[in-house]
Amino acid sequence: GAVVSQHPSWVICKSGTSVKIECRSLDFQATTMFWYRQFPKQSLMLMATSNEGSKATYEQGVEKDKFLINHASLTLSTLTVTSAHPEDSSFYICSASDGTGGDYGYTFGSGTRLTVV
Amino acid sequence: AQKITQTQPGMFVQEKEAVTLDCTYDTSDQSYGLFWYKQPSSGEMIFLIYQGSYDEQNATEGRYSLNFQKARKSANLVISASQLGDSAMYFCASHSGNTPLVFGKGTRLSVIA
Repeated sequence: GAVVSQHPSWVICKSGTSVKIECRSLDFQATTMFWYRQFPKQSLMLMATSNEGSKATYEQGVEKDKFLINHASLTLSTLTVTSAHPEDSSFYICSASDGTGGDYGYTFGSGTRLTVV
Repeated sequence: AQKITQTQPGMFVQEKEAVTLDCTYDTSDQSYGLFWYKQPSSGEMIFLIYQGSYDEQNATEGRYSLNFQKARKSANLVISASQLGDSAMYFCASHSGNTPLVFGKGTRLSVIA
């Protein structure tokens, strides 16, 4: 089946530094990548949608200059949290779509737990 | 816009019993899909079952079945013969076309031995 590899699984960084999270689709072409954020005991909140080769579309309230998304190829998308602060500590998870929708049209990475100290 | 409502923040079920997790949805689209995911404490999103809006039969996947009532806009998940390993958060989600999945708030299921 479709697999999305997300790295790192967890990261601790100092306040003010930047962190890059990668999502790679291993056996299919991810035409669209969705990035979600999840706070403890809450649901997944969509941050942005990116299509390969295009600028990402950010949801209202998400700072595009803080959460940089790159989707330069059909197999790789990255989320960079710039100048991270403790309030950015959260669980980030990507979901890749091959554009077909349907039951296997969305494949999730395993998520990244970010802790900013 | 789509909206998913899960009204049960938490549920308890005895091991080997069946449990139903509720999900209602609101959409104006004619073509849409409904998903259920399991999220254990590790955080990964595990796909359980899918129902397309035009599917006439209720979806089933092993111990999971989806009770799809289109007129009521409900898509309840039924887990039969609960196991301790079923304890987790369960999310109902929907999409239309290639739009992002919209998630409900989730239900925490606890299976008791």
